[in-house]
Amino acid sequence: TQLLEQSPQFLSIQEGENLTVYCNSSSVFSSLQWYRQEPGEGPVLLVTVVTGGEVKKLKRLTFQFGDARKDSSLHITAAQPGDTGLYLCAGVRNFNKFYFGSGTKLNVKP
Amino acid sequence: GAVVSQHPSRVICKSGTSVKIECRSLDFQATTMFWYRQFPKQSLMLMATSNEGSKATYEQGVEKDKFLINHASLTLSTLTVTSAHPEDSSFYICSARSRERSDTQYFGPGTRLTVL
Repeated sequence: TQLLEQSPQFLSIQEGENLTVYCNSSSVFSSLQWYRQEPGEGPVLLVTVVTGGEVKKLKRLTFQFGDARKDSSLHITAAQPGDTGLYLCAGVRNFNKFYFGSGTKLNVKP
Repeated sequence: GAVVSQHPSRVICKSGTSVKIECRSLDFQATTMFWYRQFPKQSLMLMATSNEGSKATYEQGVEKDKFLINHASLTLSTLTVTSAHPEDSSFYICSARSRERSDTQYFGPGTRLTVL
């Protein structure tokens, strides 16, 4: 079993739609990160959230860290084909150990 | 800044041979490097954590004699897949973390290994 569960596992939507990806755990993390990975490449860091309740925005992407620092969400507004990829959350415990979520495969159709 | 490179990007080898993959931090000193394995359409699976100058810590189920890791300097770690078999075919990704940003790891572009 994974420490971090992501949902949904797969998501196929039309360009312009909104979507939310969830990253849940029963464990507390000192920080949480979101990555986006394209096929054949390494993950690219999108954001790091540290404080419970923190909200960060990156253009059309909004990231939120749960108040208890156990969960997080990624919301994309007006998705574009360029948003297609594998989205991974990673929780950090003890400032040292990283735990990756199961991943969400997003496909945005033009 | 914070660029991590991997070499080679792709390698095809015969069953029974050994393959070495290099991971370099180009513009920072990586006190810790991580090695991951990723299967198609799946998340990353941590194989081992290596700290410069010390032995790697392997995750449960990862054979340390099969996957040899060396972290000889603050900018280079290597993963050697010994006596490779077709089931070792996978996408291997390294990441590096600096002392200054211990809560952030920077990923390399990955190495696609195919064992025939």
